[in-house]
Amino acid sequence: AQTVTQSQPEMSVQEAETVTLSCTYDTSESDYYLFWYKQPPSRQMILVIRQEAYKQQNATENRFSVNFQKAAKSFSLKISDSQLGDAAMYFCAFAQGGSEKLVFGKGTKLTVNP
Amino acid sequence: KAGVTQTPRYLIKTRGQQVTLSCSPISGHRSVSWYQQTPGQGLQFLFEYFSETQRNKGNFPGRFSGRQFSNSRSEMNVSTLELGDSALYLCASSSAASYGYTFGSGTRLTVV
Repeated sequence: AQTVTQSQPEMSVQEAETVTLSCTYDTSESDYYLFWYKQPPSRQMILVIRQEAYKQQNATENRFSVNFQKAAKSFSLKISDSQLGDAAMYFCAFAQGGSEKLVFGKGTKLTVNP
Repeated sequence: KAGVTQTPRYLIKTRGQQVTLSCSPISGHRSVSWYQQTPGQGLQFLFEYFSETQRNKGNFPGRFSGRQFSNSRSEMNVSTLELGDSALYLCASSSAASYGYTFGSGTRLTVV
């Protein structure tokens, strides 16, 4: 069974600084997708960024980028120029190719200090 | 484009009762998934429907069931509620898993 591990229950960053959230996963499959979701206090899960396992290039979405290390099964999220609105729970998630099931990590609570 | 709509937002039920939660996916999305979120267990997959057929089921007791209608709207039902069923229930829709899922705001169920 696939597992996703987020080793940092909480992280904090100063506004305008950069922070990296860690995620590792375990799978024997070669076809899969990885995601980072953000869940603010409003509860709605918001897709931040996604990565196809077959793509070597790291995904980037504005201030958000990932460092995808397939051999190490690592998928970290870097947030640049952190903003107060980035404060939220961040979940790393895995989906095997052909499956519609997301496997989530336990999440990292990010605090942004002014 | 309207997002994923879940109703109701909050629900309080008594142990032993049953409950039905509703989810309207994004127009054109045929896959609807349900997740249970609790502080202790985190986010756990309940089931996924595509074109009215359940394609995947998580490791939950038979008290948890769901269905999908021809318009892709989905409902999940929990019978004989237990205190441990108190959770945030999230619905997500997708056109394909590779594109990621769009989640609703969830239904907060409290069982007393």
